[in-house]
Amino acid sequence: NAGVTQTPKFQVLKTGQSMTLQCAQDMNHEYMSWYRQDPGMGLRLIHYSVGAGITDQGEVPNGYNVSRSTTEDFPLRLLSAAPSQTSVYFCASSLSQLLASPLHFGNGTRLTVT
Amino acid sequence: AQTVTQSQPEMSVQEAETVTLSCTYDTSENNYYLFWYKQPPSRQMILVIRQEAYKQQNATENRFSVNFQKAAKSFSLKISDSQLGDTAMYFCAFRGGADGLTFGKGTHLIIQP
Repeated sequence: NAGVTQTPKFQVLKTGQSMTLQCAQDMNHEYMSWYRQDPGMGLRLIHYSVGAGITDQGEVPNGYNVSRSTTEDFPLRLLSAAPSQTSVYFCASSLSQLLASPLHFGNGTRLTVT
Repeated sequence: AQTVTQSQPEMSVQEAETVTLSCTYDTSENNYYLFWYKQPPSRQMILVIRQEAYKQQNATENRFSVNFQKAAKSFSLKISDSQLGDTAMYFCAFRGGADGLTFGKGTHLIIQP
C-alpha cells in the first residue's frame, strides 16, 4: 500500500517563485490536511479538507492555497514563495474527521526558499 | 483554542531504562483525543499511542504507556525498557475538533548505549 505520497521530497525555490506540493492518498480517506514543521515549533496546521470540494484554513494559512477536486489529491500551492516559508511540509489524511480517526502522514517535503 | 505544552526539549537515558515524557494541554472541549507521535531521523511521523478523553483506563501499547490525568490536563508517555531505536523526536498532540491536530513543540529523546 502506498498510503500518503508526497512529491517532491526536496525543493529549492527563489523568492517570488511559485510551486505546488503534491499529496495523494490511496486509502479513500475523506479528511486531508497540510502541516508545516519548523525547528522548535512542532507541527502547525496550514489547511485542511473534510471531503472533495471542501477546504478550510488552519492555524497558519497565509501564503498558501489549496483545492480538493478529488478524494485522492490535496495539492498545496505557494503563489509567491518567501524565505519565511522555508520549512518541512507534511500532508496527512484520516478516514474521517471523527476525533478517533488517526492521521496517516506522508514522508514530508523539505522546501528551501532563498 | 487549545494549546499543548511539552516542557522537556531534550532528554537522555541509558538503554533499558524507563523514561517518562511530559505533556500538558489546555482546552475547553469535553470530548477529545490525545496522541503521541514519534519522529525518527528519517522524518517519518509514526503514531505511538492514543487516548480518548472519556476513557479512564490508561492506554498501553507494548513498552509504551500513558498516564492520563484529565482533571490536571496531563498526558505523559512512559517508555519501558528503552531501546536504541527509540531515539527520536516525540510529539504530543490534541484533537478536539474537525480541523486537525494541535502539536506540542516536541521532546528530543536520546537513548544512550
